[in-house]
Amino acid sequence: SQQGEEDPQALSIQEGENATMNCSYKTSINNLQWYRQNSGRGLVHLILIRSNEREKHSGRLRVTLDTSKKSSSLLITASRAADTASYFCATVITGSGNTGKLIFGQGTTLQVKP
Amino acid sequence: SQTIHQWPATLVQPVGSPLSLECTVEGTSNPNLYWYRQAAGRGLQLLFYSVGIGQISSEVPQNLSASRPQDRQFILSSKKLLLSDSGFYLCAWARRQGNGETQYFGPGTRLLVL
Repeated sequence: SQQGEEDPQALSIQEGENATMNCSYKTSINNLQWYRQNSGRGLVHLILIRSNEREKHSGRLRVTLDTSKKSSSLLITASRAADTASYFCATVITGSGNTGKLIFGQGTTLQVKP
Repeated sequence: SQTIHQWPATLVQPVGSPLSLECTVEGTSNPNLYWYRQAAGRGLQLLFYSVGIGQISSEVPQNLSASRPQDRQFILSSKKLLLSDSGFYLCAWARRQGNGETQYFGPGTRLLVL
């Protein structure tokens, strides 16, 4: 089964609103990463949060990590039409060594209406 | 700066034909390399990863194979394609260090097996 599960699967909001996406995972992790994918394109890394961190910011992005609940959230503030994309969380499981293997969730599709 | 290339961008192949997808990385040495497959509207499934020349690890049993003939070259192959091999194939690289780092993705190859 998938390590990461995102919620909701799809989200539609108006430009200027905030968008929150959640990710849950099952096993102990080294870090959790969020990626963005525009339709038909490769993935772009957004932010990495390590297991000993609780919150991280990057521009309009805010990521939280709760290792006790095995969950993370991605908040995009003041959304723009250009934020329309699919967003994926991915985890590096403890014990992966130097393989750097990522386990991806199924993603949240975000639509921001102008 | 580092760049990652994949080709071809799109491929339509008949069932039973062979496959060769190529991925090359520039601007870095000794990267970890990854092949993923993404079904329509789904997350990424890790197929193979490599931590060095000639070192290939397979994540799922399948009809595909991978090879790494050079440090920055990763090839995905099949002797006989199946309909179920259709999908979006993504190559990625990461620095081999620490407990899991950012992965950088190529533009992907869309494969349709008819």
